[in-house]
Amino acid sequence: DVKVTQSSRYLVKRTGEKVFLECVQDMDHENMFWYRQDPGLGLRLIYFSYDVKMKEKGDIPEGYSVSREKKERFSLILESASTNQTSMYLCASSRRVSSGEQYFGPGTRLTVT
Amino acid sequence: DAKTTQPPSMDCAEGRAANLPCNHSTISGNEYVYWYRQIHSQGPQYIIHGLKNNETNEMASLIITEDRKSSTLILPHATLRDTAVYYCIVSYSSNTGKLIFGQGTTLQVKP
Repeated sequence: DVKVTQSSRYLVKRTGEKVFLECVQDMDHENMFWYRQDPGLGLRLIYFSYDVKMKEKGDIPEGYSVSREKKERFSLILESASTNQTSMYLCASSRRVSSGEQYFGPGTRLTVT
Repeated sequence: DAKTTQPPSMDCAEGRAANLPCNHSTISGNEYVYWYRQIHSQGPQYIIHGLKNNETNEMASLIITEDRKSSTLILPHATLRDTAVYYCIVSYSSNTGKLIFGQGTTLQVKP
């Protein structure tokens, strides 16, 4: 079974802090994604990566950056956390970009105060 | 936009089949139908997908009408653990891998 793990299930940070969210997948998938999920807005794509050291912006990249130094690991960075970044963050992976079969981690619920 | 229409909620008795409908009347010829579910406070879980033919796996069956304008996800013997929001997705970007989730159907399995 594909396993996608995220570093924290719950996180509380203060405004202005730098926040790191880490995601690891164990199935040698090429592609990894970061989404955020908010009530009434559904899932929105922040960034994705189709290869090591490659990254592409999704729909809402502002205020975020990503890092993919190893194939299995994809990190989301909030450079200076703000209260409007309070959300559920979901990491996903897939074998290839053209596949809609994605495997999600359990999510990190981030609260910025 | 999601391009799918699903009932907002459904109930099902434990042990009975749950049939979740989805309308996707504007689906194009090369678009697949994907089903995911999300149990409360967890990440979405891939269930099944199909293009034209009916599909079955260990979790569910997917029935797609001949004109491809609608589909039904069938959970053959629903359990309490199947209580979740079920999403039918046809909007998928093959360039970005972005899945576009709609509002989904909240399935409540009752004892």
